[in-house]
Amino acid sequence: DIVMTQSPDSLAVSLGERATINCKSSQSVLYSSNNKKYLAWYQQRPGQPPKLFIYWASTRESGVPDRFSASGSGTDFTLTISSLQAEDVAVYYCQQYYTTPWTFGQGTKVEIK
Amino acid sequence: QVQLVQYGAEVRKPGASVKVSCKASGYTFTNSAMHWVRQAPGQRLEWMGWINAGNGNTKYSQKFQGRVTITRDTSASTAYMELSSLRSEDTAVYYCARDPGYWGQGTLVTVSS
Repeated sequence: DIVMTQSPDSLAVSLGERATINCKSSQSVLYSSNNKKYLAWYQQRPGQPPKLFIYWASTRESGVPDRFSASGSGTDFTLTISSLQAEDVAVYYCQQYYTTPWTFGQGTKVEIK
Repeated sequence: QVQLVQYGAEVRKPGASVKVSCKASGYTFTNSAMHWVRQAPGQRLEWMGWINAGNGNTKYSQKFQGRVTITRDTSASTAYMELSSLRSEDTAVYYCARDPGYWGQGTLVTVSS
């Protein structure tokens, strides 16, 4: 199974400041035949299902604010919130959907400092 | 629009089974797969298995092999996940997900004597 490891586990950032979350996969999630990275980022608020924010490693889902951006190679990925807002407080997960079993990072809790 | 509807909550005693449903609408049910993912309290998301809704083929996580059965009823556009020999560690929210972008609201399964 592909192991997904996020860092840090939690992050406290002042309103308006940048938040950066890292995700590392134990093997590449880049599918060479279409050059797509099968990596997604989710936001999850308490009592809610995960909400897709980013897919193909860097494509923002419709409706996601543009302060959220993401990038990465075949194994190392980053989610950035350029200017943290109160409504961004949540847990963020990375996920690989390159192969089954889908696997998820342990989550990063983002809070306001 | 795509919707995956799951209902509320279930309570079971240890050793019992539970069958969770996921009713799909807004797309052609048999053209997609359906994945099942669970989240125990405070834990990361955990993939359990998936079904090809067209031909009924399934694949299960090794962790749940022998205890989980995923089925579908194409006439009702509904997928099901049955977990047997329940233990307290199976207390979790169980989600269906068509693909990274579409998730049900989850069904809380509580296993308690």
